[in-house]
Amino acid sequence: NAGVTQTPKFQVLKTGQSMTLQCAQDMNHEYMSWYRQDPGMGLRLIHYSVGAGITDQGEVPNGYNVSRSTTEDFPLRLLSAAPSQTSVYFCASSVGVRGDTQYFGPGTRLTVL
Amino acid sequence: SQQGEEDPQALSIQEGENATMNCSYKTSINNLQWYRQNSGRGLVHLILIRSNEREKHSGRLRVTLDTSKKSSSLLITASRAADTASYFCATHTQGGSEKLVFGKGTKLTVNP
Repeated sequence: NAGVTQTPKFQVLKTGQSMTLQCAQDMNHEYMSWYRQDPGMGLRLIHYSVGAGITDQGEVPNGYNVSRSTTEDFPLRLLSAAPSQTSVYFCASSVGVRGDTQYFGPGTRLTVL
Repeated sequence: SQQGEEDPQALSIQEGENATMNCSYKTSINNLQWYRQNSGRGLVHLILIRSNEREKHSGRLRVTLDTSKKSSSLLITASRAADTASYFCATHTQGGSEKLVFGKGTKLTVNP
């Protein structure tokens, strides 16, 4: 199993551009989530999904969209990139949240100029 | 607001010493998890402790949970340089929606 994969590893955008961060898992996990990690802020939850077709907002959802059309994929879309979205983005998955191990992807380092 | 808050923010010790990190949280939980993050990498799950448990061990790791004080501690015994990393606690709250909330982490440096 590849586990949780994220693409791209690095990305530089200009303010106002849009892009999609890809996340895929091959463990048949129902629960997937997106976090951003900023220095001194720890991990903050952006959006999460408890199954295909079901998504919900986390702590910091503004400026981001998600969809979950399949169990495997959970893309994160930046609608109009802003410098405040410069961060490292992590995708995670688990069988469920209650008591289950979260498996993290390697991260995408995004810089918005 | 953050549910879990780790303490200290940074810790520097010598190889062979024990390292203790603490996590405090605000609301009742179903479980609490500890994760490790090596520089530039994703988080790796270390150990999970449920609200009805008081202590768990895994190798050189020992986790305690005190629900009356809403706090947990992670002890790494006989530390090694390879333990150098950031450590995060994550809480799943009771009665809440299906999500984990992470603290800001403790940066541990183990000097050889």
